[in-house]
Amino acid sequence: SQQGEEDPQALSIQEGENATMNCSYKTSINNLQWYRQNSGRGLVHLILIRSNEREKHSGRLRVTLDTSKKSSSLLITASRAADTASYFCATDKEDDYKLSFGAGTTVTVRA
Amino acid sequence: DAGVTQSPTHLIKTRGQQVTLRCSPKSGHDTVSWYQQALGQGPQFIFQYYEEEERQRGNFPDRFSGHQFPNYSSELNVNALLLGDSALYLCASIISGRDEQYFGPGTRLTVT
Repeated sequence: SQQGEEDPQALSIQEGENATMNCSYKTSINNLQWYRQNSGRGLVHLILIRSNEREKHSGRLRVTLDTSKKSSSLLITASRAADTASYFCATDKEDDYKLSFGAGTTVTVRA
Repeated sequence: DAGVTQSPTHLIKTRGQQVTLRCSPKSGHDTVSWYQQALGQGPQFIFQYYEEEERQRGNFPDRFSGHQFPNYSSELNVNALLLGDSALYLCASIISGRDEQYFGPGTRLTVT
């Protein structure tokens, strides 16, 4: 079973618009990471947010974490065609080395 | 600085055969994890190697085994292949004590 679940499953937006996707998880976590995957290739690490952090920015990415609701969101601002990909959240727990992934959100950015 | 590398890129095997996949971690990374990603799903943790030992294992049968070498590179072996083993196999490397995991491009295994 998967720890995280992304919502929505798929998202289609116009270039220049913002894209927001959410991740919910079931148990207490140590960290939450977001990854991007293009066309079934390897995962690209986007950002890591720790359980004691509430918000983090990296370029056009903004991640929030609400541990009371066991949820996170990823916002991509001013989207580009190159942002077309699947996005996954992954969590890890204290004293646990594995990452637990959701099924991902597929984002399509239309030119 | 080279990233995580995996070989081969693609592989086609027949049911019952055995396969070995290889991973070289990023420079300075001493820990390697392996994941299986079925089509349309998120990656599932297979196991992690640190100091040449399997440190943690996911819910995968004993047909899945691994090895880590003194230079931190790693192999994933799968015996008695089943059709359901068809997937993208991903290797992630980590610096022990740090939390970011960096993934390689994956090996696409097709079992016919």
